[in-house]
Amino acid sequence: QVQLVQSGAEVKKPGSSVKVSCMASGGTFSSIPISWVRQAPGQGLEWMGGINPIFNTPNYAQKFQGRVTITADESTSTAYMELSSLRSEDTAVYYCARTNGAYCGGDCYYYYYMDVWGRGTTVTVSS
Amino acid sequence: DIVVTQSPDSLAVSLGERATINCKSSQSVLHSSNNKNYLAWYQQKPGQPPKLLIYWASTRHSGVPDRFSGSGSGTDFTLTISSLQAEDVAVYYCQQYYNTLRTFGQGTKVEIK
Repeated sequence: QVQLVQSGAEVKKPGSSVKVSCMASGGTFSSIPISWVRQAPGQGLEWMGGINPIFNTPNYAQKFQGRVTITADESTSTAYMELSSLRSEDTAVYYCARTNGAYCGGDCYYYYYMDVWGRGTTVTVSS
Repeated sequence: DIVVTQSPDSLAVSLGERATINCKSSQSVLHSSNNKNYLAWYQQKPGQPPKLLIYWASTRHSGVPDRFSGSGSGTDFTLTISSLQAEDVAVYYCQQYYNTLRTFGQGTKVEIK
């Protein structure tokens, strides 16, 4: 079955960027739409955006527009999430997750619920 | 954006007893085109990623024990654990996917009394 393996923990300075990877195995990468969800320490879950590798068109939550870039590399079955202009509030565990959804015409994909999750990548932003 | 609010924030239930968690959305997540409620439930244990329990408000995900059930429609939903087991100690989240901004409830912590 599909497994998602994420890159290791990162410590970053405020103002810098971080790029987290998520490698999929056990399935056809183009059929594994990926969402990125983050969880600040002791807090709840926050959807950041997603990408469907079959179209390679990302979809971002408005809160992160302009600061997040989600990409997918089919040759390595890997999705990436890059977050720039980091601040202390971005300290969190970042998860990738396979997302069930529906096609809504053209390259449109509507993201529903997440059924396979990576183990998470801890990103710490500190001076 | 749809705000999703869970209640209570925490609850303690005796082993074998019923646990009930509520989830309320700020607007209906029932889609008229297919009569489906765009709501899911997840379980998260300490140090682990969330695990999908329920989708479409009441469809149990593969491998989820049948003591977990989801109900409700429109704006009000419930996750019920019919007979609490020790391994059910966790934080539970609901999530709406009706709106393009997917949002989660704040979580409900379930403990053993």
